[in-house]
Amino acid sequence: DTAVSQTPKYLVTQMGNDKSIKCEQNLGHDTMYWYKQDSKKFLKIMFSYNNKELIINETVPNRFSPKSPDKAHLNLHINSLELGDSAVYFCASSQRDLAKNIQYFGAGTRLSVL
Amino acid sequence: GNSVTQMEGPVTLSEEAFLTINCTYTATGYPSLFWYVQYPGEGLQLLLKATKADDKGSNKGFEATYRKETTSFHLEKGSVQVSDSAVYFCALSEYSGAGSYQLTFGKGTKLSVIP
Repeated sequence: DTAVSQTPKYLVTQMGNDKSIKCEQNLGHDTMYWYKQDSKKFLKIMFSYNNKELIINETVPNRFSPKSPDKAHLNLHINSLELGDSAVYFCASSQRDLAKNIQYFGAGTRLSVL
Repeated sequence: GNSVTQMEGPVTLSEEAFLTINCTYTATGYPSLFWYVQYPGEGLQLLLKATKADDKGSNKGFEATYRKETTSFHLEKGSVQVSDSAVYFCALSEYSGAGSYQLTFGKGTKLSVIP
């Protein structure tokens, strides 16, 4: 019944590894997002994805890549993990219509890079 | 670019106290404004929103009014409860193309309410 679900909830890995975080929404939304929340709780948009069009925050390293197999999923792949990638990553989704543009968030994935 | 500035926390209040969390914004267009709340260990939930000037958003006893003249969207509640303890984020939403409305968040304000 969860509207936006992310897996895993916790991810601990070594520097240099490649990892993925999955996100699924069952709300029928057409836009999905990834956000990064740092240790000071600051939230920053990483990507938004709509109808196969990707909008990238230019500050995001190209080691991060979103992959969308279908409208309900937007997975986040991270290559060559670095210590600074440790954060909580949130997936969100929304409808295109401005009047309904409320973003619904997943519970987050806490990534720890050792 | 767009930005949101909200008061630094943490804020500690006694139960039934009055709450104000200040939020001001800078935007190039006409954004929608939001307050999101994050309870410990959870994702963000929408608390309230306002889409145009002078709109008042309200939910669960919280209110905020979209003030274009002062570019503000301050959050208020008349009587806080222990269950309101959380981190509160002010945010604005503007169209970013391809049907996407990206949120720009403030840095969050942690509220602790003590009995």
